This record gives sequence, C-alpha cells and structure tokens, in this order.
Amino acid sequence: EPEVTQTPSHQVTQMGQEVILRCVPISNHLYFYWYRQILGQKVEFLVSFYNNEISEKSEIFDDQFSVERPDGSNFTLKIRSTKLEDSAMYFCASSLTGARNTIYFGEGSWLTVV
Amino acid sequence: AQKVTQAQTEISVVEKEDVTLDCVYETRDTTYYLFWYKQPPSGELVFLIRRNSFDEQNEISGRYSWNFQKSTSSFNFTITASQVVDSAVYFCALSVANSGYALNFGKGTSLLVTP
Repeated sequence: EPEVTQTPSHQVTQMGQEVILRCVPISNHLYFYWYRQILGQKVEFLVSFYNNEISEKSEIFDDQFSVERPDGSNFTLKIRSTKLEDSAMYFCASSLTGARNTIYFGEGSWLTVV
Repeated sequence: AQKVTQAQTEISVVEKEDVTLDCVYETRDTTYYLFWYKQPPSGELVFLIRRNSFDEQNEISGRYSWNFQKSTSSFNFTITASQVVDSAVYFCALSVANSGYALNFGKGTSLLVTP
C-alpha cells in the first residue's frame, strides 16, 4: 500500500539552527501538507501546497518556515532559525485532489530544539 | 470559523466493553468533510473514515461504527467489543472549502483499554 514517508524520524537541533524535514508523498497525489503536533496537544495545520505553490497557510506558518518541492518526489519543510517552541512532531501528508479526498499522513518527524 | 469539540479527554474501559467517542463540530459551510484518525502510542496518524456533509448514512466497519447526525452537528465513533490494541488517541477533524480544506482537528480523546 502506498504511503507517505518522512525523514528524519527524530532530530535534535540547537536553538537558532536551520532544520529541513523531508517527505516523499504518495506518488500520484497532487496536494501536500505539513501539520505539527506539540507534545500532548492537538494536531495543527501549517501549510498546504499545490501546483508548486502554497495554497493555504496558517498563522503558525510565519517567515521562519518555508516549503519546497525541489524535484518530482520530495516535499520539504525548512525552519530557518529554530526556537524552543518549535519542538514538536511534524507530520507530512498528501491527498489525491485536495481534502475532498482522504489525506494520508506520514509517520512524523520528531523535532527537539535544545 | 470552524471548530471541532471532543469533550472527552480520557476514557478508560475494560476489554470487550463498547465505547463511544463523541465529536461535535461547528461550521457555517454547507459542504464539509469529517474525518476520524487514530494515533497509537507509536505516534503515527492512521486514517479511519471520511464523511462528506451530504452523506448522513451511518457506516460500520468491523468493530467500528460511525453515527453522523447533522441535526446535532455530531459525528460519533463507537468501538464495539474493545480490545487492548484499540488503546490510542482518537482525533476527529473537519475540513471546509473556506479554509482550503485544511484539516481542523479536535483535541483528541485518549482511549485506554485494559485487559
């Protein structure tokens, strides 16, 4: 069964460092997403991406964040200068034609900022 | 604005008991989609079901069933004959066109099934 894959599964970084989280969405999917979950809290939407541009973003997704689809398979989330409060599980997700179809999530990348 | 409320923070049941997880949603949109996801202790988000606002038919899948009632804006999830492997956090989520179909999650219900 096709799945969304994410790397790394866990990363520890120092405050102020840049972090890139990588994702390989399901191959025929057209919509890509990043969500985050701070420990013990609900899952929060960050950004959606379609046709090589951001289609929607939340208030959380400020100038410190950026997304990119550098080639035909990868979808990345970059945090330019990490803060302690960026520590969270980051989920990549994809769907075939938007949320009218099912959104499938990867297993998450756990980011710890120290 | 959209909102999903899962009033039950934690539920504990003994194996083989039935358990219902409540989800109440708010939206002004007439077209919307409702989801349930399971998050086991390993952390991943596992899709369980998607329902659109025009389909109020209840669904059963094995031990799982869902009751969608637009009149009460609820989309409740029942596990019949619960098992220890059902222990997880369960999230209800809503998506609407006005928010680009981004998933708006509830805070989740932590279900613990004990032997």
